Amino acid sequence: DIQMTQSPSSLSASVGDRVTITCRASQGISTYLAWFQQKPGKAPKSLIYAASSLQSGVPSKFSGSGSGTDFTLTISSLQPEDFATYYCQQYNSYPYTFGQGTKLEIK
Amino acid sequence: EVQLVESGGGLVKPGGSLRLSCAASGFTFSRYSLNWVRQTPGKGLEWVSYISSSSSSIYYADSVKGRFTISRDNAKNSLYLQMNSLRAEDTAVYYCARPNYYDSSGTDYWGQGTLVTVSS
Repeated sequence: DIQMTQSPSSLSASVGDRVTITCRASQGISTYLAWFQQKPGKAPKSLIYAASSLQSGVPSKFSGSGSGTDFTLTISSLQPEDFATYYCQQYNSYPYTFGQGTKLEIK
Repeated sequence: EVQLVESGGGLVKPGGSLRLSCAASGFTFSRYSLNWVRQTPGKGLEWVSYISSSSSSIYYADSVKGRFTISRDNAKNSLYLQMNSLRAEDTAVYYCARPNYYDSSGTDYWGQGTLVTVSS
């Protein structure tokens, strides 16, 4: 199975900040990488697919990059609604696997 | 609008069975592959099973292989997960998920989830 390692596991930031979350795959996955946002009690919401493609309706403050084994999610100009948990996921091969999550908290 | 609505969760004793359903609307169900994904507080998000649009390809996570069965009814726009020999570690919120496009992979659209609790 492909292991997905996210860092950091938690992150404190202020409204207006720009933050970056990284995700590393244990083997190359091309650009078959997705990013999700999850708020308490809700289903994960897809933000980015194919490593850098923005899902319809997702604001452009979210951006993704990378290919192969190293990927990043960047969120610019943080707003209160952005404080949530973020997950990466590889869908290059089954079993699909997820990172352990990054909890973004308000400083 | 794409909608996926899971149902069938509940409290079940270890060794028991449960059948989850996912009712789909807002898209041509028969053209899309589908997945089940679960989430536990301890282990985070875990992919469970996949079924192709025609049911010709089916995959399972090792943790559920031999105990869970995925199926679909394209005439009823419904996806199912039959769960047998349930264990405490199967306790989770179960989601059905669909890729963006009918010829793509991934889990871009998710339902709201249904909670399965396995406890005596």
